[in-house]
Amino acid sequence: NAGVTQTPKFRVLKTGQSMTLLCAQDMNHEYMYWYRQDPGMGLRLIHYSVGEGTTAKGEVPDGYNVSRLKKQNFLLGLESAAPSQTSVYFCASSSHRTGGRETQYFGPGTRLLVL
Amino acid sequence: AQKITQTQPGMFVQEKEAVTLDCTYDTSDPSYGLFWYKQPSSGEMIFLIYQGSYDQQNATEGRYSLNFQKARKSANLVISASQLGDSAMYFCAMRESPGSGTYKYIFGTGTRLKVLA
Repeated sequence: NAGVTQTPKFRVLKTGQSMTLLCAQDMNHEYMYWYRQDPGMGLRLIHYSVGEGTTAKGEVPDGYNVSRLKKQNFLLGLESAAPSQTSVYFCASSSHRTGGRETQYFGPGTRLLVL
Repeated sequence: AQKITQTQPGMFVQEKEAVTLDCTYDTSDPSYGLFWYKQPSSGEMIFLIYQGSYDQQNATEGRYSLNFQKARKSANLVISASQLGDSAMYFCAMRESPGSGTYKYIFGTGTRLKVLA
């Protein structure tokens, strides 16, 4: 049981390049989320998904796209990377069973540097 | 407007002493959840404790307790008997339900705790 995994762990891009970050979870969770973490800003929600085939915008969605073709995977795409997208990206998943005590489970993060 | 406010960017505590990390929140949703996470220097996010908006008692998990004051909209984390391994960044988060069965989490900016030997 690997929990939530993220690929890659670290990447350097040049401005204008594209890339896809992969998040995978093996807990059969309905909900998946992508966050970015910047110094002094906490975690900010980029996009999220409440189930296979669904996505929704979070707090800072501009410059990113997502897809959830399979329940276990949530992809975050950067079509044309910008230096402002230099950040640490976290994926998380959760299920919301009756009771509401379920927390999010986080991946280890992807550190992205855009030059 | 900030929905989750952590006013202490950094805190120091002596080993074996207790420390309180502040968190205030703002929501009009009657049903919400409050969480605390620990992020050590290695970077992973570790869930510590949860408090539901309808919970009558304050949550406790080992050395962690949550001082929930609903009328004041505060959810402070209390760490008792601090250990050197408690040195980390701590985030307060709130789960809201904006409707249609969706859930969103909002995070504060964090408090960096340093435990002194």
